[in-house]
Amino acid sequence: EPEVTQTPSHQVTQMGQEVILRCVPISNHLYFYWYRQILGQKVEFLVSFYNNEISEKSEIFDDQFSVERPDGSNFTLKIRSTKLEDSAMYFCASSNTGTGYYYGYTFGSGTRLTVV
Amino acid sequence: DQQVKQNSPSLSVQEGRISILNCDYTNSMFDYFLWYKKYPAEGPTFLISISSIKDKNEDGRFTVFLNKSAKHLSLHIVPSQPGDSAVYFCAAILGGSQGNLIFGKGTKLSVKP
Repeated sequence: EPEVTQTPSHQVTQMGQEVILRCVPISNHLYFYWYRQILGQKVEFLVSFYNNEISEKSEIFDDQFSVERPDGSNFTLKIRSTKLEDSAMYFCASSNTGTGYYYGYTFGSGTRLTVV
Repeated sequence: DQQVKQNSPSLSVQEGRISILNCDYTNSMFDYFLWYKKYPAEGPTFLISISSIKDKNEDGRFTVFLNKSAKHLSLHIVPSQPGDSAVYFCAAILGGSQGNLIFGKGTKLSVKP
């Protein structure tokens, strides 16, 4: 079964450093998403991306965050200057339609980001 | 701001019996509702969805019921199996939204052999 692949599985970074989280969505999917889950809290939507543009973003997704599809297979989330409160599990997801809610978004296994 | 609430943090059922997971929401404009299952160290896995214009959707052992007047939905798993032991998330989305799922906090289901 096709999978969304995220690397690394765990990343530790110093406060103030830039970090890039990487994702390889399912190959025929066109819509891409990032979510995060702070320990003990809900999964929260960050951003959606289609046709090389952000299509929707949440209040969490401020100027410190950016997304990119640098080539035909990768989808990245960059945090420019990490803060302690950015520590969370970050999930990438993809879907092959804009109505991904009908068929369900396919999630990766996540990257645990620890900011120290 | 808890638009989607799962009030039971945990549920324990016997193998072969029915598991009923509940979810309440406050925003009557939600267009679709989804259920996800999550095992430790894995991402959420989609189970089943339901449109706000339906009151029931069934897929194998999983059935989701929607009661719009009560702003309540439930996921029924029949029969429950030990492999169903996981955290179950309810999520909702507004029409036209691109992936902005509003999640509940999850319910941890334990199915005992």
